[in-house]
Amino acid sequence: KAGVTQTPRYLIKTRGQQVTLSCSPISGHRSVSWYQQTPGQGLQFLFEYFSETQRNKGNFPGRFSGRQFSNSRSEMNVSTLELGDSALYLCASRLGTSTNPFTDTQYFGPGTRLTVL
Amino acid sequence: GDSVTQMEGPVTLSEEAFLTINCTYTATGYPSLFWYVQYPGEGLQLLLKATKADDKGSNKGFEATYRKETTSFHLEKGSVQVSDSAVYFCALSDAGTASKLTFGTGTRLQVTL
Repeated sequence: KAGVTQTPRYLIKTRGQQVTLSCSPISGHRSVSWYQQTPGQGLQFLFEYFSETQRNKGNFPGRFSGRQFSNSRSEMNVSTLELGDSALYLCASRLGTSTNPFTDTQYFGPGTRLTVL
Repeated sequence: GDSVTQMEGPVTLSEEAFLTINCTYTATGYPSLFWYVQYPGEGLQLLLKATKADDKGSNKGFEATYRKETTSFHLEKGSVQVSDSAVYFCALSDAGTASKLTFGTGTRLQVTL
């Protein structure tokens, strides 16, 4: 079974631009969560999408948004990029049909490395 | 709120040495606990997990026991290999919020010959 895939793997943008990252979950998984990983803040939860609806949200500004399509693929958008948005963005998928984190565990993709100049 | 505290790294060991990476947590509920591993240039891989007191998660020679009385989930391996060099993250997820993992800061392990 193919794992979680993310595209692109690397991205360089300049301040003020916007960017869209893509995540394809494991087949059959309907939940996609996004995380930001930085050296200073570590791994932080951005949001979760399930059945095309945002179901849970972390503590990030409105510049960070996402969406999910009917095939469960998800995109994350960051507008008006700032230098501090440079990070590894990870997505994780799970079945999404249970609230039990032990039986419905998250599986991560390789990440998209975003550099903002 | 929920939080996870891991021992500071880097941890440097010789091959075949015993490994312990400490992890303690604070949570309002009864969380599930996880260890993830991140190899250079890659995403996170689930290493092991546990869901209730005294549960032991194990995988690839790594073990961790859910200790509710000490709110800990320390990672151990009896004999490390060079290929175990990576960053290890302890994480928790509260029951009922399976979409959100709260991570520790990560501990870098370097194993030398």
